[in-house]
Amino acid sequence: DVKVTQSSRYLVKRTGEKVFLECVQDMDHENMFWYRQDPGLGLRLIYFSYDVKMKEKGDIPEGYSVSREKKERFSLILESASTNQTSMYLCASSLRNYGYTFGSGTRLTVV
Amino acid sequence: ILNVEQSPQSLHVQEGDSTNFTCSFPSSNFYALHWYRWETAKSPEALFVMTLNGDEKKKGRISATLNTKEGYSYLYIKGSQPEDSATYLCAPESGGSNYKLTFGKGTLLTVNP
Repeated sequence: DVKVTQSSRYLVKRTGEKVFLECVQDMDHENMFWYRQDPGLGLRLIYFSYDVKMKEKGDIPEGYSVSREKKERFSLILESASTNQTSMYLCASSLRNYGYTFGSGTRLTVV
Repeated sequence: ILNVEQSPQSLHVQEGDSTNFTCSFPSSNFYALHWYRWETAKSPEALFVMTLNGDEKKKGRISATLNTKEGYSYLYIKGSQPEDSATYLCAPESGGSNYKLTFGKGTLLTVNP
C-alpha cells in the first residue's frame, strides 16, 4: 500500500513564526497536494506539484509556499503564521485514475 | 474554482436502511469523478474513480453511478451499518487540470444501531 506520512499530528506555533509541514510518500507518485480542511468549507487546495521542482497554486495559496526538491517529499511552508491559518492540513499523493492517498493530517494551531 | 454540490449535507439512518447521496458538478471539460469516504480521526479513503458516462462501480454494499452529460453522480449504500458512518466526499477532475481535485463539502452519514 502507498503510504503518505506527515511529520506531525499536532502542532502549536506562535503568530509570525515560519512553519514547515512535511509530507513524504513511498510509492514514486509524481503528483502531490496540500489541502486544508475547515468546518463548513470542506477540503480546499493550497498548492500541488506534478514533478520535482514543479509547483502550481491551488485555490487558496496566499500566505503559503511549497518546496519539492525530491520526488518523495513535498513541504508546505507558512512564511509568517497567522491565526487564520489554524486548520487541519492534509497531504496527498496520486497516480491518475487511482485516486488520492492521503496522509493522516496535521492539526496546526497558531496562537 | 469548480462548483461542486453535494446533498444532503447530513443524513441520519437506522442500521439496515439503504441510502443514497448526490454529487453535482460542471459537465464541461469533464475527465473523472472521485468518491472518498472520510471516517472521523482517519484519512480520506478512495472509494471509486469513474470516467465514463453511464459508469457504475461497486465495492461491497456501496455502489456509484455517473452521468457526465448532466453532471451528477449518485452514491448508494445498501443495508447501512454503523461502520458506514463517515463523511462521503465527491471530487470532479477536469481535463488538463494536472490531476488536481476540487472536493465537495461532503455528506455526513450517521448510521444508528
